[in-house]
Amino acid sequence: DQQVKQNSPSLSVQEGRISILNCDYTNSMFDYFLWYKKYPAEGPTFLISISSIKDKNEDGRFTVFLNKSAKHLSLHIVPSQPGDSAVYFCAARGSTLGRLYFGRGTQLTVWP
Amino acid sequence: GAGVSQSPSNKVTEKGKDVELRCDPISGHTALYWYRQSLGQGLEFLIYFQGNSAPDKSGLPSDRFSAERTGGSVSTLTIQRTQQEDSAVYLCASSARGSSSGANVLTFGAGSRLTVL
Repeated sequence: DQQVKQNSPSLSVQEGRISILNCDYTNSMFDYFLWYKKYPAEGPTFLISISSIKDKNEDGRFTVFLNKSAKHLSLHIVPSQPGDSAVYFCAARGSTLGRLYFGRGTQLTVWP
Repeated sequence: GAGVSQSPSNKVTEKGKDVELRCDPISGHTALYWYRQSLGQGLEFLIYFQGNSAPDKSGLPSDRFSAERTGGSVSTLTIQRTQQEDSAVYLCASSARGSSSGANVLTFGAGSRLTVL
């Protein structure tokens, strides 16, 4: 059972435009949400996180929005750059467990 | 070391053989995780070690899989009698906090790509 879902396997965006990556979850006990970025042949690297008590967290070009009532979060990248092309994983942390639950990832391609 | 180190980076083996994958976490990190990513799939949790507590083995797919963490540092994931469906990238991660408060940011290694022929 997939507790964290990324329903779009791929997204293609022109350089300079906004990229919006979406993520849905089913477990209301999750207390932190994280986004990871993964380049080929490398491990995932942490990008940004948000606590369940917040609805927005911003870090430079990256903003994560959380809608708890809809159990939905999104990552906005503005402006998108070709170097942002990677697989983006959404992850969630249970409040009583250390493990993270990951979605299947979205391949973002930013073209010039 | 500066990051999480995994070895080997690539392993090709024959069906039925045993394999060992090694993970060297970031020094001082108390929590260590193993995940795997099969082709076209997300990150599948396997096992989690936190300090001296009993490991959370709930993600191990079968009793052919086992892992240990010696001295609270290096971890070895062992797969016995490998099957073709075990082919995947096995990722190790460590974190400073484990299940305590905070976002629990995991730092991943580059992974060990296992191919079972």
